[in-house]
Amino acid sequence: AQKVTQAQTEISVVEKEDVTLDCVYETRDTTYYLFWYKQPPSGELVFLIRRNSFDEQNEISGRYSWNFQKSTSSFNFTITASQVVDSAVYFCALSEVKAAGNKLTFGGGTRVLVKP
Amino acid sequence: DGGITQSPKYLFRKEGQNVTLSCEQNLNHDAMYWYRQDPGQGLRLIYYSQIVNDFQKGDIAEGYSVSREKKESFPLTVTSAQKNPTAFYLCASSVSLFYGYTFGSGTRLTVV
Repeated sequence: AQKVTQAQTEISVVEKEDVTLDCVYETRDTTYYLFWYKQPPSGELVFLIRRNSFDEQNEISGRYSWNFQKSTSSFNFTITASQVVDSAVYFCALSEVKAAGNKLTFGGGTRVLVKP
Repeated sequence: DGGITQSPKYLFRKEGQNVTLSCEQNLNHDAMYWYRQDPGQGLRLIYYSQIVNDFQKGDIAEGYSVSREKKESFPLTVTSAQKNPTAFYLCASSVSLFYGYTFGSGTRLTVV
């Protein structure tokens, strides 16, 4: 069965510190997609990034960067020079393709609190 | 602008009552989903639908029902059989898993 584990339930940092969120997944699929979503206090989940299982190239986008390592089934996310607006819950998700339908499995989320 | 509209934003229900949460999308997405989120926890799948007039149970379907009569609409009914319905409910849609989901802004249901 698909499983996504975010071991960190809450991380608290002071503004301008870097913060790394861990995500470990389990799947038997050979082709799959991984995602990170951000949930601000308003509640709506916002898409941040997608990676497919064949693309292990790490990426930097502004203050965000991602480290995908298939060998360890990890898809970690780093916020560099954190800001108060980064305070949110961050979810890692894994795609699951089945005959009955396709869906995402989410981790438990990591709450990030950035203090001024 | 295209998106997903969930209504109402806040909903209060008396014990023993059924309530229906609305989810409408104008993105022309085939697939729609309902998730439940409890405080400090992740998202758990209730029901999902890949096409009109077809839907599948998720991990926690007991006490809930859905319909998918139109592509744009996927309402969720929380029945009196759901013993602990107080939660935040999120609706999502997808054109393809490659693109992930687009989420609505959620409905916070409280049983009083």
